[in-house]
Amino acid sequence: GENVGLHLPTLSVQEGDNSIINCAYSNSASDYFIWYKQESGKGPQFIIDIRSNMDKRQGQRVTVLLNKTVKHLSLQIAATQPGDSAVYFCAERMDTGRRALTFGSGTRLQVQP
Amino acid sequence: AAGVIQSPRHLIKEKRETATLKCYPIPRHDTVYWYQQGPGQDPQFLISFYEKMQSDKGSIPDRFSAQQFSDYHSELNMSSLELGDSALYFCASTQGSNQPQHFGDGTRLSIL
Repeated sequence: GENVGLHLPTLSVQEGDNSIINCAYSNSASDYFIWYKQESGKGPQFIIDIRSNMDKRQGQRVTVLLNKTVKHLSLQIAATQPGDSAVYFCAERMDTGRRALTFGSGTRLQVQP
Repeated sequence: AAGVIQSPRHLIKEKRETATLKCYPIPRHDTVYWYQQGPGQDPQFLISFYEKMQSDKGSIPDRFSAQQFSDYHSELNMSSLELGDSALYFCASTQGSNQPQHFGDGTRLSIL
């Protein structure tokens, strides 16, 4: 796939365990954050988003935590499954002005059956 | 649900040739974004359009241009192609600017 991962950090977990993927964002003016999952040969797939007026948001099996003080974002995946294996990107954006996303470096998640 | 459609999925060109990549956004989405992703890299923003007008510009080379048509589809035109242009090119769309961007599966451009 496109993200062969020579330079991507990798998180390896056992099936059924919980996974935590971390991201440090750069722009203190960003107020909207998204997590994307990218499988080999595919485009980024939306997982969950959070606005800066929140510090936690939950979806189905996923939770995003936002710490604006240290500009840190995390994605927690509960009961990780083999189908969760992919590269995960966080992205940030300002709610005014430029609306394009700035992506962080991806993390490859490998789920061992 | 309908997704963002990109064509072609794969394109092989030689140096100094031109290429046109097409993007068909999700129905009723009025904003289109183009991103370039090199091997092992994160996507980098190139350019965006809202209601057929350019709304933002990122790291798009002068050799590239893009437009959005009346049916909201967009085309990225690339000229004088260089080896370094080999990458995945993604299009994303949103309805308005306050919603998550949804991505297509990209066009893999290879320059020989």
